Amino acid sequence: TQLLEQSPQFLSIQEGENLTVYCNSSSVFSSLQWYRQEPGEGPVLLVTVVTGGEVKKLKRLTFQFGDARKDSSLHITAAQPGDTGLYLCAGVGSSNTGKLIFGQGTTLQVKP
Amino acid sequence: GAGVSQSPRYKVAKRGQDVALRCDPISGHVSLFWYQQALGQGPEFLTYFQNEAQLDKSGLPSDRFFAERPEGSVSTLKIQRTQQEDSAVYLCASSLVNVYNEQFFGPGTRLTVL
Repeated sequence: TQLLEQSPQFLSIQEGENLTVYCNSSSVFSSLQWYRQEPGEGPVLLVTVVTGGEVKKLKRLTFQFGDARKDSSLHITAAQPGDTGLYLCAGVGSSNTGKLIFGQGTTLQVKP
Repeated sequence: GAGVSQSPRYKVAKRGQDVALRCDPISGHVSLFWYQQALGQGPEFLTYFQNEAQLDKSGLPSDRFFAERPEGSVSTLKIQRTQQEDSAVYLCASSLVNVYNEQFFGPGTRLTVL
């Protein structure tokens, strides 16, 4: 069974601080995605990483895929209150049906 | 519409009642997924359709859960004889069939079983 462990589960920081969220597995994933979800809404895709060692930047967000494609990280620089939400990593399972295996999520609160 | 829509957005059911949750995917999207999300947790896969064919139903928790997509577009998730542990948000997602399987999610239906 493929599992994704996400940490930390909760993070409460002040505006302007930096943070990193980790997503780890013992399994290899063909690709890994990061989503952000706000209360009452569905997850919204932020980025997809495909190649081991890949780094992608989206404004103040930096995403990295591990060399062995088993882990990933999300780094936010100078967090803002608008970054508040639930961050989810998701891997495409080995069955190749396209189903996503999600981590438990990281609830981020950025206080002004 | 431009995105995935789901109805109803909220559903309260008494234990033992049957419920039906609807998903309208993005037009032209071949793949459709259902996920169940407990409060503050990540979504868990329930079932997957490619057009009208249900190719994977390994995540359905019991035979009380049934999903269909008869014409390859709209999908319905039905839960029979609801129980309190069925309370959750049910998310629908659709995608084009592509290598990266990028999925677009609807807002979900929050089901509360009393």
